[in-house]
Amino acid sequence: GQNIDQPTEMTATEGAIVQINCTYQTSGFNGLFWYQQHAGEAPTFLSYNVLDGLEEKGRFSSFLSRSKGYSYLLLKELQMKDSASYLCAVRVLISSGSARQLTFGSGTQLTVLP
Amino acid sequence: GAGVSQSPRYKVAKRGQDVALRCDPISGHVSLFWYQQALGQGPEFLTYFQNEAQLDKSGLPSDRFFAERPEGSVSTLKIQRTQQEDSAVYLCASEGTANTGELFFGEGSRLTVL
Repeated sequence: GQNIDQPTEMTATEGAIVQINCTYQTSGFNGLFWYQQHAGEAPTFLSYNVLDGLEEKGRFSSFLSRSKGYSYLLLKELQMKDSASYLCAVRVLISSGSARQLTFGSGTQLTVLP
Repeated sequence: GAGVSQSPRYKVAKRGQDVALRCDPISGHVSLFWYQQALGQGPEFLTYFQNEAQLDKSGLPSDRFFAERPEGSVSTLKIQRTQQEDSAVYLCASEGTANTGELFFGEGSRLTVL
């Protein structure tokens, strides 16, 4: 199976930068994903890393190191609306190639304070 | 609409009742996933369809859970003889053919078993 760890809670100030870490242990790794989920709403896709390195998309960046089983999501210029749960997820391929579901971590609840 | 639609949004059932949860994915999306999300946790994989074929049902917690997608579009998740531990939000997600891993989630069906 997969084991995904991320901090339960984080707090940061509006305008600041925050880094949310995620570590995973898995075989058949096929991609690392970050989703954002506001309370009572559906998760929404933020980023996807399959190769090592940094992917930047506006205020959000995501980093992956496959050898270390490590990723982080970097949020810059924090806004109040960024208060949400951030879910790290891993995709694994099994030998048949047919299983492509994401396995999610428990999520990091980020609170942005004024 | 353009997004994934789920119904009902809220369902209260007495223990032992059967429930059926419906998912209408984005038109043309081949892959469909069901997840279960407990309060404060990340989504847990239940089952995966590619068109009408159920390719993975390894996440279904018991034989009381059954899912189908007979025409490769709308899917139904059925839970028989509901138990209190079945109380959760049931999320449906679909994925297009781009194979980016970007899942489009519905807002979920919140099931409460009394």
